[in-house]
Amino acid sequence: AQKITQTQPGMFVQEKEAVTLDCTYDTSDPSYGLFWYKQPSSGEMIFLIYQGSYDQQNATEGRYSLNFQKARKSANLVISASQLGDSAMYFCAMREGGSGAGSYQLTFGKGTKLSVIP
Amino acid sequence: EAGVVQSPRYKIIEKKQPVAFWCNPISGHNTLYWYLQNLGQGPELLIRYENEEAVDDSQLPKDRFSAERLKGVDSTLKIQPAELGDSAVYLCASSHSGGQPRTDTHYFGPGTRLTVL
Repeated sequence: AQKITQTQPGMFVQEKEAVTLDCTYDTSDPSYGLFWYKQPSSGEMIFLIYQGSYDQQNATEGRYSLNFQKARKSANLVISASQLGDSAMYFCAMREGGSGAGSYQLTFGKGTKLSVIP
Repeated sequence: EAGVVQSPRYKIIEKKQPVAFWCNPISGHNTLYWYLQNLGQGPELLIRYENEEAVDDSQLPKDRFSAERLKGVDSTLKIQPAELGDSAVYLCASSHSGGQPRTDTHYFGPGTRLTVL
C-alpha cells in the first residue's frame, strides 16, 4: 500500500486565487512528520512547510498553510493568493519515527503539477 | 548560508560507462541522503549517512552502485557500469540531526540529471 497518496496529477488555478493540493498518508507510527516540497522546472526540491503528528495547530508559512486532519490521515496544502511563480510540481512527504534524535528517510507521493493561469 | 551543492548538473553517457556524482551538504549538517527521482515520480531513498557511516543503504543496488562519505562532509555516488534504466535525476539532501528530531528537514541540492544512451 502506498504510504503517501496524491490523487491530483495536475491542477489549474487562476492567479490570485487560493488552491488546495490533496495528500493522504498511511502509517501506524504515532510519531511522524509531514512535509510539502515544491519542485520547479529547475529541479531543486524546495521545502515549504512541516506538520508534526503531535502538533495541535495547523502549520502556516506565509501564503502556505497545511490543513491537517489527523483522524482522516490527510495533510492538504493550501496556497493562498496564487502567483505565476507558484507553477511547479508539489510533493507531499512523510517521515516516520522520531523517538530520540535522528534523521529518517522521507517517503514521497507522486506529486501534483500546479499551473497558475494569468 | 550556502545550500547543498551538487555536480555535475547534467551528465550524458553511453551504457556500460561509469559515472560519478558529487555532493557537498550544508555546513554543519551531519546527515546526508542520496535520492533517485524517476520521471513523473517522487524521490526514493538510495542511501543515508550519519556523519561518515552509511546507516541505511538497503535500497542501494550494490551490484553497480556505490557511495562514500569519507570525512563525513562531502559525498560521492558512483554507478559502474551504467544501464539505460539508470537515466533519472539523482538528488542529494542534508539535514541536521540532534535538534528537534521530528522536524529534521531535508534540504535538497539541484540534482544531477543523468541520461544513459
